[in-house]
Amino acid sequence: QVQLQESGPGLVKTSETLSLSCTVSGGSISSNSNYWTWIRQPAGKGLEWIGRMYSSGSANYSPSLKSRVTMSVDTSKNQFSLKLRSVTAADTAVYYCARGVTEYGAYLSFDSWGQGTLVTVSS
Amino acid sequence: DIQLTQSPSFLSASVGDRVTITCRASQDISSSLAWYQQKPGKAPKLLIYTASTLQSGVPSRFSGSGSGTQFTLTISSLQPEDFATYYCHQLENYPFTFGGGTKVEIK
Repeated sequence: QVQLQESGPGLVKTSETLSLSCTVSGGSISSNSNYWTWIRQPAGKGLEWIGRMYSSGSANYSPSLKSRVTMSVDTSKNQFSLKLRSVTAADTAVYYCARGVTEYGAYLSFDSWGQGTLVTVSS
Repeated sequence: DIQLTQSPSFLSASVGDRVTITCRASQDISSSLAWYQQKPGKAPKLLIYTASTLQSGVPSRFSGSGSGTQFTLTISSLQPEDFATYYCHQLENYPFTFGGGTKVEIK
């Protein structure tokens, strides 16, 4: 069974870059039927999709974050990463990585999630 | 962006009750809808995908229906472990979006 684990600093200073990694175990990040995604959740609020990418490197980002987000994949480490630039307090949230499932070109679900990591942005 | 409106946002129910949560999409999303359950301090857990397909390992008291713009999640007989927040999620168009959530609490 695939497992995902987020890692990275829990505290980031205002205007700096938030950097997180997600390590995938129990499955290959290069699977053709999967893509890799980031979601965040501010305390007491709902879920916000950040972006998704395939192991090939093709990515789609939320328009609201697109100007500040970069996702990347390292197949040798079975790992994918998120960078969010110029952060403010509004970026404080629990960040989740997840595996997306596709079938015949259709996006089906996010079927496996990491446990989440709290990132606090503060000066 | 496709907006997903869940109702109710809060629901108080008793063990054994039948519970229905509705998710309305701002435009036609076919059957590209998933449902998740989230408990406090935990990651969301996939329950239903493609509107009505039960994820492996999920109890059969959970069911989903709908297509187009109107969807429902039903719990046929609420169990103590089902008290949680439920989210719908569309994967038809970018950006993928989530509903605002429905918190199910014990009456």
